[in-house]
Amino acid sequence: EAGVAQSPRYKIIEKRQSVAFWCNPISGHATLYWYQQILGQGPKLLIQFQNNGVVDDSQLPKDRFSAERLKGVDSTLKIQPAKLEDSAVYLCASSLAQTSSGNTIYFGEGSWLTVV
Amino acid sequence: GNSVTQMEGPVTLSEEAFLTINCTYTATGYPSLFWYVQYPGEGLQLLLKATKADDKGSNKGFEATYRKETTSFHLEKGSVQVSDSAVYFCALGETGFQKLVFGTGTRLLVSP
Repeated sequence: EAGVAQSPRYKIIEKRQSVAFWCNPISGHATLYWYQQILGQGPKLLIQFQNNGVVDDSQLPKDRFSAERLKGVDSTLKIQPAKLEDSAVYLCASSLAQTSSGNTIYFGEGSWLTVV
Repeated sequence: GNSVTQMEGPVTLSEEAFLTINCTYTATGYPSLFWYVQYPGEGLQLLLKATKADDKGSNKGFEATYRKETTSFHLEKGSVQVSDSAVYFCALGETGFQKLVFGTGTRLLVSP
């Protein structure tokens, strides 16, 4: 079974530029997450989708970050304009269902962003 | 809000030593608890989980018991290997809308 796919794996941009990350979840997984992991810290949830609807985006910096999941499958996370503090690994994850706390959440390998 | 606290690392051990990584949590309701592992350059992988009090999760020689009375989920392994060197994250799954709240991670370094 294919896992969560993310691209690009690595990206270096200058501050104030824009960047987009793509994620394809495991087939059949209705719930998709984007997490931000800053070096030395645990991942922090940015946004959670159930199919193509947003469930939680309370920690998404909406002045510069946006995300969409138009057809309820793959998703794109965009940062515009980027700041130095956005340097992090952006992890996409997916799970089968939303409302069971015991469901396993599967993570992709991450997209590593460096803002210079 | 919900939170997870892990012991700071790095934890440095010799091969075949006993491992404990402490994890405590604060949560409302009845969360599930997880340990994830992150090997260098890779994404997070689920190591084990427990969904209710007194459950024991186990995998690859690692185990952790969900202790509601002490709000803990400590990770243990009887004999570590060099290949266990990684960063270990404790996490809780919030009830209702399923999402994970992570601790800050503990780096384990195992030397031959």
